Amino acid sequence: NAGVMQNPRHLVRRRGQEARLRCSPVKGHSHVYWYRQLPEEGLKFMVYLQKENIIDESGMPKERFSAEFPKEGPSILRIQQVVRGDSAAYFCASSPQQAKKETQYFGPGTRLLVL
Amino acid sequence: AQTVTQSQPEMSVQEAETVTLSCTYDTSENNYYLFWYKQPPSRQMILVIRQEAYKQQNATENRFSVNFQKAAKSFSLKISDSQLGDTAMYFCAFTAADSNYQLIWGAGTKLIIKP
Repeated sequence: NAGVMQNPRHLVRRRGQEARLRCSPVKGHSHVYWYRQLPEEGLKFMVYLQKENIIDESGMPKERFSAEFPKEGPSILRIQQVVRGDSAAYFCASSPQQAKKETQYFGPGTRLLVL
Repeated sequence: AQTVTQSQPEMSVQEAETVTLSCTYDTSENNYYLFWYKQPPSRQMILVIRQEAYKQQNATENRFSVNFQKAAKSFSLKISDSQLGDTAMYFCAFTAADSNYQLIWGAGTKLIIKP
């Protein structure tokens, strides 16, 4: 039983480039959440998706950030034209559709460094 | 809006001692869930324990137990017989159905277990 997979684990980008972060949820889980963790801080909610639908993107910046969870394949968090302030750890979590849907299981995170 | 407060930025205890980490929260919801997550130096986010608000009985997982005081909106974590491997950041988190189960996080407590 594979847990939540995220790749890459580390990503270095120069200002202005694009960053693509991928998340494969636990098999059978249809709910995906993305969180951002700045250094020395707790996590902050960004976006909540179900298959092919964005349910809640209230925590995601309106510009440069987008997320998707296609019918086939992993969920993608995309950051366009990255800036130094985007440097953070980005965590993906998944939860089941029915029983214990309030409990989220986390991937190892992607550490993004913007130079 | 829900908030989660962890008032202890850092704690340290000797190995084998018992330690209690504090967490308070604020919500107008009646049906919600509370969690403690552990983040070791590897930065992986690991679920330690969960508590349903409608249950009066405190959750227990081996050496980890909680003291859930619903009226006081308090949710402390007790670690018994602490081990070196317990050294980590500990985050308290809240979720409720009306917010699509997005997790609201405290700022974390850094716990150091000394040999």
